[in-house]
Amino acid sequence: DTEVTQTPKHLVMGMTNKKSLKCEQHMGHRAMYWYKQKAKKPPELMFVYSYEKLSINESVPSRFSPECPNSSLLNLHLHALQPEDSALYLCASSQDRLAGRPTNTGELFFGEGSRLTVL
Amino acid sequence: TQLLEQSPQFLSIQEGENLTVYCNSSSVFSSLQWYRQEPGEGPVLLVTVVTGGEVKKLKRLTFQFGDARKDSSLHITAAQPGDTGLYLCARGLGGYQKVTFGTGTKLQVIP
Repeated sequence: DTEVTQTPKHLVMGMTNKKSLKCEQHMGHRAMYWYKQKAKKPPELMFVYSYEKLSINESVPSRFSPECPNSSLLNLHLHALQPEDSALYLCASSQDRLAGRPTNTGELFFGEGSRLTVL
Repeated sequence: TQLLEQSPQFLSIQEGENLTVYCNSSSVFSSLQWYRQEPGEGPVLLVTVVTGGEVKKLKRLTFQFGDARKDSSLHITAAQPGDTGLYLCARGLGGYQKVTFGTGTKLQVIP
């Protein structure tokens, strides 16, 4: 069983809807990630949070809005999406720093993903 | 620009055969991960290689990091249907936070 939990597993929304994807981890990891994956393609990085602060935004359109309420939770708010935004959205976490020194080796722990369909 | 190129892109083999998947980069990296992703699931970490020339084994899977740390390979011995999935190499940049994936190798093992 994965230790990163994503909800919902499936989501269908219209282009005018507002919805949110949620991610939770209890491994004490301090870095959390959102990836987007289209069919038959590798995951593409969207956002990285480190210690609840946004550290990387890969030029993602503003219709995607990330939020990190605390060290265990990561949300992705969706508004006015386009059909081409339909994809598998993956959340991941990793150890980042321990006692001030980097310990992140790039090892990610993924959730099972949220399959999004935009009509 | 894709930093990590994997080959082959697709591989369909019979159960019991051996196979090798490659991950290549034009730049040196200090560590590299291999993941396997099954349909409808998130990628699962298989291994991290750090030292040039390093070889790690995970049951029937053998991972090697090139001496120059620009390439890596994954060898599967006596493939089984349970090995079916998308194999991804990955590296971290920018303090390892910016983790990017290779182009992927889709493996199908036919019973």
